[in-house]
Amino acid sequence: NAGVTQTPKFRVLKTGQSMTLLCAQDMNHEYMYWYRQDPGMGLRLIHYSVGEGTTAKGEVPDGYNVSRLKKQNFLLGLESAAPSQTSVYFCASSYLGSPYEQYFGPGTRLTVT
Amino acid sequence: RKEVEQDPGPFNVPEGATVAFNCTYSNSASQSFFWYRQDCRKEPKLLMSVYSSGNEDGRFTAQLNRASQYISLLIRDSKLSDSATYLCVVNPDMDTGRRALTFGSGTRLQVQP
Repeated sequence: NAGVTQTPKFRVLKTGQSMTLLCAQDMNHEYMYWYRQDPGMGLRLIHYSVGEGTTAKGEVPDGYNVSRLKKQNFLLGLESAAPSQTSVYFCASSYLGSPYEQYFGPGTRLTVT
Repeated sequence: RKEVEQDPGPFNVPEGATVAFNCTYSNSASQSFFWYRQDCRKEPKLLMSVYSSGNEDGRFTAQLNRASQYISLLIRDSKLSDSATYLCVVNPDMDTGRRALTFGSGTRLQVQP
């Protein structure tokens, strides 16, 4: 039981490049989330999903897209990376019956130069 | 004004000490409250929920004051392993179905031998 895994762990991009971050969970959770964490800001919600095939915007969605084609996977895409997207990205998931007990992945450290 | 505010610290305390953190939230309609713990360069993990009547889990006690809109966390008999950042977390969206959380930026605790 791996819990929540994220790929890759680290990445350096140049401005304008694109990439996809992959989140996978093996706990059969309905809800999945993408957050970013910046110094002094706390975690901020980018996008979330309440089930397979559904996604919605969070607090800071601009510059990101997401997809949830399978229940266990939640992908975060950066279409044209900007230095302001340098951050640590965390994926999380939770049960329908206990939505606030969120299980986090280990994070992806992204630097955009 | 931030939705959830915390003193960033650091709080430097000796082993065995009692330490308390407070957190204030701005949305008076918030219904659910939590403390998460985050070790350095790791993912956040749920420490405990905060109930209206207060709750205790071993050396940890959490309390909620709705009238003043603050949440507290008390740690007794501090251990070196308690060194971490403690995140105050609020769910402000009971009616939207989003099941997302709003995180404070955290209070850093350093327990010294």
